[in-house]
Amino acid sequence: AQSVSQHNHHVILSEAASLELGCNYSYGGTVNLFWYVQYPGQHLQLLLKYFSGDPLVKGIKGFEAEFIKSKFSFNLRKPSVQWSDTAEYFCAVNARQGAQKLVFGQGTRLTINP
Amino acid sequence: EAGVAQSPRYKIIEKRQSVAFWCNPISGHATLYWYQQILGQGPKLLIQFQNNGVVDDSQLPKDRFSAERLKGVDSTLKIQPAKLEDSAVYLCASSPPGWGGASNTEAFFGQGTRLTVV
Repeated sequence: AQSVSQHNHHVILSEAASLELGCNYSYGGTVNLFWYVQYPGQHLQLLLKYFSGDPLVKGIKGFEAEFIKSKFSFNLRKPSVQWSDTAEYFCAVNARQGAQKLVFGQGTRLTINP
Repeated sequence: EAGVAQSPRYKIIEKRQSVAFWCNPISGHATLYWYQQILGQGPKLLIQFQNNGVVDDSQLPKDRFSAERLKGVDSTLKIQPAKLEDSAVYLCASSPPGWGGASNTEAFFGQGTRLTVV
């Protein structure tokens, strides 16, 4: 069964700082990878996803993520964060075989100070 | 396009009582999920349906939790009897046909039901 690990529980940055949130997964087969965001009081929304092709994927609001297959990683990046990026970020993976469950990491709380 | 609808938004019950949550997925979505999200943790998959069949319920505490998806559309999740540790947000999500393979789809989430067991 697949699992997801997010390295940072809580990240605090100032506006305009660069962001990188770590995500590693464990699964031996082919996977699809996702980053979801949950703004305060709102439901989970998709930031970006990787299915195949270019391992560098771009999402909404200037976010991007790079799939490094050899490292089983899918780290999220943003060159310059804004106060409005304050939210909880979740990495998720689904295996393409078997039950194709969507499994989430424990999340990273991001606080941006103005 | 209407999103995933869940009700109620909030529920407070005493331990040992029963509670039910309802989910209406996006029209045409074949896969439906129920997740439990405890404060400070990521969503934990409780059960996954494909149409009205169960694909995975390995993490559903079957002695107290049950779920059904009648006619492959709406779904209900029930807890009976509730325990203090069941306090969490219960999320419903759905995804369209073709999910999980090489097709470029995603899961869409509802607002969730916040359950407090006292």
